Amino acid sequence: AQSVTQLDSQVPVFEEAPVELRCNYSSSVSVYLFWYVQYPNQGLQLLLKYLSGSTLVKGINGFEAEFNKSQTSFHLRKPSVHISDTAEYFCAGPNGGTASKLTFGTGTRLQVTL
Amino acid sequence: ETGVTQSPTHLIKTRGQQVTLRCSSQSGHNTVSWYQQALGQGPQFIFQYYREEENGRGNFPPRFSGLQFPNYSSELNVNALELDDSALYLCASSSDRASMPRGTEAFFGQGTRLTVV
Repeated sequence: AQSVTQLDSQVPVFEEAPVELRCNYSSSVSVYLFWYVQYPNQGLQLLLKYLSGSTLVKGINGFEAEFNKSQTSFHLRKPSVHISDTAEYFCAGPNGGTASKLTFGTGTRLQVTL
Repeated sequence: ETGVTQSPTHLIKTRGQQVTLRCSSQSGHNTVSWYQQALGQGPQFIFQYYREEENGRGNFPPRFSGLQFPNYSSELNVNALELDDSALYLCASSSDRASMPRGTEAFFGQGTRLTVV
């Protein structure tokens, strides 16, 4: 099973500024990685996923992530954030090989202000 | 296409009691996983059900148990509730037990907020 580490518990940023949320993984087998977003009092919504192929993955709401094997990272980026992006973001990897059996990081709280 | 629905949305129980949480999986999905998310933490995998059988379990004691029904809906039961069981319980569904990359997305419900007092 993979383990994932989110390096920042909170990231404050001004609206329209770029943001990067960091995630590192450890695995000795094939790598599949995900980013999920959780808005207040909501469940989790998939932002994007890396399975294979292109290392730059584009997701919903203007987010993208780059899989970097040499640095064992899968950082999430957005060039210009909005107030509505304020949420908790979770990096996740498979825990046993199926889509709904996941290991999550501890989360990064993105706080966007004016 | 219906999404994943969980009931109830909120629940308050007393220490020592038992609780049952319910999840209806997304249409066409036959695999359900349950997660516990404590305040300020990431979700922790409890167990997964595939075609009515348990298919993997996380580091949770036996008082956490589950069921999956022929229509693929699922229940999570917790006996002898403890204060530390207070958390958001999330259900996720996906299609089949196939290894990645098939069945490559899990859909989550809104969760059940359980408070143990």
